[in-house]
Amino acid sequence: DAGVTQSPTHLIKTRGQQVTLRCSPKSGHDTVSWYQQALGQGPQFIFQYYEEEERQRGNFPDRFSGHQFPNYSSELNVNALLLGDSALYLCASSLKAGGQNEQYFGPGTRLTVT
Amino acid sequence: AQSVSQHNHHVILSEAASLELGCNYSYGGTVNLFWYVQYPGQHLQLLLKYFSGDPLVKGIKGFEAEFIKSKFSFNLRKPSVQWSDTAEYFCAVNDYGNNRLAFGKGNQVVVIP
Repeated sequence: DAGVTQSPTHLIKTRGQQVTLRCSPKSGHDTVSWYQQALGQGPQFIFQYYEEEERQRGNFPDRFSGHQFPNYSSELNVNALLLGDSALYLCASSLKAGGQNEQYFGPGTRLTVT
Repeated sequence: AQSVSQHNHHVILSEAASLELGCNYSYGGTVNLFWYVQYPGQHLQLLLKYFSGDPLVKGIKGFEAEFIKSKFSFNLRKPSVQWSDTAEYFCAVNDYGNNRLAFGKGNQVVVIP
């Protein structure tokens, strides 16, 4: 049973560029959440997708956008990259939207913006 | 939105010592509480969770946590640590019906053999 997978593992981009990160949820899960983890900090919630729609959003600018596909996989897009976007981006999946479902995390994508 | 406080970000202790990590969240209501662990080179894994019922929760690898609603706290404990417990520990909370997690900054725990 595959867990949450993310690609790529590492990515280096230049300021102003755009990036797309990908996530496949754990088998049987239908909800995907994205988090940003800066160095020395805990993960911060970006947004959550369920039934191919953004259901909740954290305090992140519109440069951060996402998508969920019919197979429940998801993408995180970041436009006009800033140096401050350098972080580990984590994807987490759960069974359904709601309050009592634990989230399973992937290994993350390390984004470096130069 | 909830915020989570974790103190003593760096903890160094010897094997067999007891460990307690504090976690406080910002406001009440019905909440779900979690401790996640990140071992070196590995991804975040769930250590234990509290949804309802007995406020003393037992997790994997001998860890336990106690939910004290009046103190908005969910402290993690282990009576006797091992070198393999070296990891970063994160407390997280979400409001019931809303599974966006708010994380603390984490505790970096180093156990010396």
